[in-house]
Amino acid sequence: GAGVSQSPRYKVAKRGQDVALRCDPISGHVSLFWYQQALGQGPEFLTYFQNEAQLDKSGLPSDRFFAERPEGSVSTLKIQRTQQEDSAVYLCASSLGWQNTEAFFGQGTRLTVV
Amino acid sequence: DAKTTQPNSMESNEEEPVHLPCNHSTISGTDYIHWYRQLPSQGPEYVIHGLTSNVNNRMASLAIAEDRKSSTLILHRATLRDAAVYYCILRAGNAGGTSYGKLTFGQGTILTVHP
Repeated sequence: GAGVSQSPRYKVAKRGQDVALRCDPISGHVSLFWYQQALGQGPEFLTYFQNEAQLDKSGLPSDRFFAERPEGSVSTLKIQRTQQEDSAVYLCASSLGWQNTEAFFGQGTRLTVV
Repeated sequence: DAKTTQPNSMESNEEEPVHLPCNHSTISGTDYIHWYRQLPSQGPEYVIHGLTSNVNNRMASLAIAEDRKSSTLILHRATLRDAAVYYCILRAGNAGGTSYGKLTFGQGTILTVHP
């Protein structure tokens, strides 16, 4: 399909395990965002890429969270030494540009840390 | 980021119009008003956005108050598929700003549609 694709859809990790979440944005989209959504809450901003440049990582909750987009297309969000409070849905969104264009969201990856 | 205030929940009957209010009294002159909705187990979906004038598209209408301190999302004929959480978001439109168009979601309004 032509939408934003995220994988895996579901991930169960043991506490302390490292995880990697993948996002395939819409082809040609310059902007890519990662959001974290806790149960019953609205999504919260984590980080932003413009092509391969990570211009804003102010929302990353700790240095255990790391994101990359090395070729300006696919992005990976990595969480090291997962903890129970990392359990959430991780959403990726892309847009053609940053200035007031529609953001397209993937279905998210539901991470459960046990 | 400028803050928005929405009712926690609203209910509607199928095929009736729905008016979802949003207050944003601290909106700046360059902020656009965006609405997204999130169906169960889905990512958010863009609905509509506007700056000053009322806007219409195939999904909904957006009515913006003259002073821009409030807006209303209008679903003209609610269907069961419209049951979702609706988010009203202010998105900075100033060039050179550091927001990069990121969306600051609040709690949103849970819309229940009764058959």
